[in-house]
Amino acid sequence: GESVGLHLPTLSVQEGDNSIINCAYSNSASDYFIWYKQESGKGPQFIIDIRSNMDKRQGQRVTVLLNKTVKHLSLQIAATQPGDSAVYFCAEAKGGSQGNLIFGKGTKLSVKP
Amino acid sequence: SQTIHQWPATLVQPVGSPLSLECTVEGTSNPNLYWYRQAAGRGLQLLFYSIGIDQISSEVPQNLSASRPQDRQFILSSKKLLLSDSGFYLCASASSGSGELFFGEGSRLTVL
Repeated sequence: GESVGLHLPTLSVQEGDNSIINCAYSNSASDYFIWYKQESGKGPQFIIDIRSNMDKRQGQRVTVLLNKTVKHLSLQIAATQPGDSAVYFCAEAKGGSQGNLIFGKGTKLSVKP
Repeated sequence: SQTIHQWPATLVQPVGSPLSLECTVEGTSNPNLYWYRQAAGRGLQLLFYSIGIDQISSEVPQNLSASRPQDRQFILSSKKLLLSDSGFYLCASASSGSGELFFGEGSRLTVL
């Protein structure tokens, strides 16, 4: 079964605004978390990851925040662009391996011009 | 980085017919390989993973099977498809030890 879920199935933002996509996980033993972006009809693409010994990690225009106390993960996208429109999945794993990931259902992000 | 090739991209098959989806990997050797299924509106469900040639582990009991005849080739098969087998199938690869999980473009299967 799925132990990783998402608070909102859809998110609509204005171009240029910041987006925040949230995710809750239930397995406190998970120590590796990943965000994927999936454009329509394509396979998921890795965006950013974070290990449980970190609270925050930044990439290009994206930031992942991990709150282990409440088992919450979020993805922040700065200055959202139309090309960011996609479904975003969070995933968790144990042992630092991406192989046996548990994926959430996904949040569909729509960017309005 | 790795490149994952999957084919066919789209497939429409009648119930009871066989299935063969193929996946090949470029850019790495001895990868861990995975087959995932994505039902509409749902996340990705791990079906099979392989750590080496002829080494397959099944995560979910079903009428599908997987084979790995070569290091960078992973095949998903069925002898008789069911309606419930419809979905989007993704092959993925990860370098042994760690690393990013790379996905193929997916194969959309519709069973009628």
